[in-house]
Amino acid sequence: EAGVVQSPRYKIIEKKQPVAFWCNPISGHNTLYWYRQNLGQGPELLIRYENEEAVDDSQLPKDRFSAERLKGVDSTLKIQPAELGDSAVYLCASSPGTSGGYTDTQYFGPGTRLTVL
Amino acid sequence: QQQVKQSPQSLIVQKGGISIINCAYENTAFDYFPWYQQFPGKGPALLIAIRPDVSEKKEGRFTISFNKSAKQFSLHIMDSQPGDSATYFCANGRSGYSTLTFGKGTMLLVSP
Repeated sequence: EAGVVQSPRYKIIEKKQPVAFWCNPISGHNTLYWYRQNLGQGPELLIRYENEEAVDDSQLPKDRFSAERLKGVDSTLKIQPAELGDSAVYLCASSPGTSGGYTDTQYFGPGTRLTVL
Repeated sequence: QQQVKQSPQSLIVQKGGISIINCAYENTAFDYFPWYQQFPGKGPALLIAIRPDVSEKKEGRFTISFNKSAKQFSLHIMDSQPGDSATYFCANGRSGYSTLTFGKGTMLLVSP
């Protein structure tokens, strides 16, 4: 079974430029998560989707971050404009979404390492 | 976000030794406590998880010990191997919510 796919794996941009990350979850997984992981820290949730609906985006900096999950499958996370403090690894995860949520195993992709210069 | 406090920040253990990582949580409403393992350049992967209706769960060389009254849980890695060298994150979750809150991680190095 293919895992969570993310692209690109690495991205270097200058501040104030836009950037987008793409995620393809495990087939059949209804729940999709975007996390940000700063160096030496644990993942922090940015947004969670149940199918097409964003059900938890309380930690998403909405002035510059946006996300979408068209047709309840692939998802894109965008930053515009990027700031120096956005340098981090952006992780996508998915889970089946069949057991009521909280005990679902989350399967993480390898992440996109963003460097903002 | 509710915090989960993890210690130590880093740990060096000799091959064959026992690695112990501790976590403390705040809110007794949390009832799901997983540990994730992350290798460099990879995403975290679920290692083992426990619910508070049991005090211990063992899977191979990995054991979670849970102390509900102290609001603490720990990961024990028996017979630690160099291949166990990774960063370990504790987390907690709550019934009805899919969101997990992660600790800051412990970088484990098992020396040959």
